[in-house]
Amino acid sequence: DAKTTQPNSMESNEEEPVHLPCNHSTISGTDYIHWYRQLPSQGPEYVIHGLTSNVNNRMASLAIAEDRKSSTLILHRATLRDAAVYYCILRDVAGSQGNLIFGKGTKLSVKP
Amino acid sequence: DTGVSQDPRHKITKRGQNVTFRCDPISEHNRLYWYRQTLGQGPEFLTYFQNEAQLEKSRLLSDRFSAERPKGSFSTLEIQRTEQGDSAMYLCASATAYNEQFFGPGTRLTVL
Repeated sequence: DAKTTQPNSMESNEEEPVHLPCNHSTISGTDYIHWYRQLPSQGPEYVIHGLTSNVNNRMASLAIAEDRKSSTLILHRATLRDAAVYYCILRDVAGSQGNLIFGKGTKLSVKP
Repeated sequence: DTGVSQDPRHKITKRGQNVTFRCDPISEHNRLYWYRQTLGQGPEFLTYFQNEAQLEKSRLLSDRFSAERPKGSFSTLEIQRTEQGDSAMYLCASATAYNEQFFGPGTRLTVL
């Protein structure tokens, strides 16, 4: 499976936008880019996913580079509740069972 | 609450004892996954069920581990002859097809 590279940690101020980067230079044509986050003492939760086009939902936006070798998760206004570990994951839905392969993720701290 | 539930939330056991964890997925989800997470790491895939069939097992799942999903509903994960290295958070997730996975709160196992 193709791997992703994320910074170990990032800091943000409350109510400011946050851009969480992810590199995936070996991504294949059938890999979807998924983001999950894990709040302290909880299981991971789905945030957003995309294939080629930028995506928006109520939680975040996903910006995908034209060559698909990198992507950025955008939280438009960080809140204290957004402090979590954010995981960027590639899922090849062609012939796979769909299990997620997590890296270490980016630990986001949000300062009041 | 119609989310994924796991029981117990915490389990402390002595080395060599057997333990069993239960996962109740979201009722209409036919896919069920077990993951293990140790401190500071992302979750690691253990095994996957589609309905009652166990379709994939990670090499992490040693002979001491067994999982079942009778009738394609709830699932159990049993660890026999526990070792200190089994101490971790055990996470269950359910999904439909290749859609987002919904995770439970996890069972934290401590082996003394």
